[in-house]
Amino acid sequence: EAGVVQSPRYKIIEKKQPVAFWCNPISGHNTLYWYRQNLGQGPELLIRYENEEAVDDSQLPKDRFSAERLKGVDSTLKIQPAELGDSAVYLCASSLGLVGAFFGQGTRLTVV
Amino acid sequence: GQQVMQIPQYQHVQEGEDFTTYCNSSTTLSNIQWYKQRPGGHPVFLIQLVKSGEVKKQKRLTFQFGEAKKNSSLHITATQTTDVGTYFCASDMDSNYQLIWGAGTKLIIKP
Repeated sequence: EAGVVQSPRYKIIEKKQPVAFWCNPISGHNTLYWYRQNLGQGPELLIRYENEEAVDDSQLPKDRFSAERLKGVDSTLKIQPAELGDSAVYLCASSLGLVGAFFGQGTRLTVV
Repeated sequence: GQQVMQIPQYQHVQEGEDFTTYCNSSTTLSNIQWYKQRPGGHPVFLIQLVKSGEVKKQKRLTFQFGEAKKNSSLHITATQTTDVGTYFCASDMDSNYQLIWGAGTKLIIKP
């Protein structure tokens, strides 16, 4: 069974530029999460989807971050414009219900 | 806000020694999940505990959920180099489907 697939693996952009991350969850997993992880810290939830509905986006900085999950499968996370403080690893995870989230390998974003 | 406190932040052990990490909450947890993240890798789900006093084992790893469901521990017996990484606990606290993560405990094997 294929795991959670994320792309790109690495991204370097200049500040004020836009950036987008893509996630393909495990087939059949209705719950999808986007997390941000800074070095030496635990994952920080940005948004959670149940199917195509964003049910928890309270931690998403909505002035510059946006996300969508078309048809309840793939998802994209966008930052526009990026700031230096956005440098982090962006992790996508999926689960069937709430038992055990399976993570993708993440996108390491560097804003210069 | 709701928090899950995890200690210690780091633990240095000789290969073959035991390792333990603890998670604590001031409120009752509906469940506790444990994840392992290797250096440069992503979190990998290990296990979920839901019952008061529950104990589960995976080879050299023993997971416990406290009787009051306010604390949990992960114990590794006779650590190996493959155990290196950061171990996180996480909980959806009161079943509102918002996973709260501990800060993680980094297991370091002394050379």
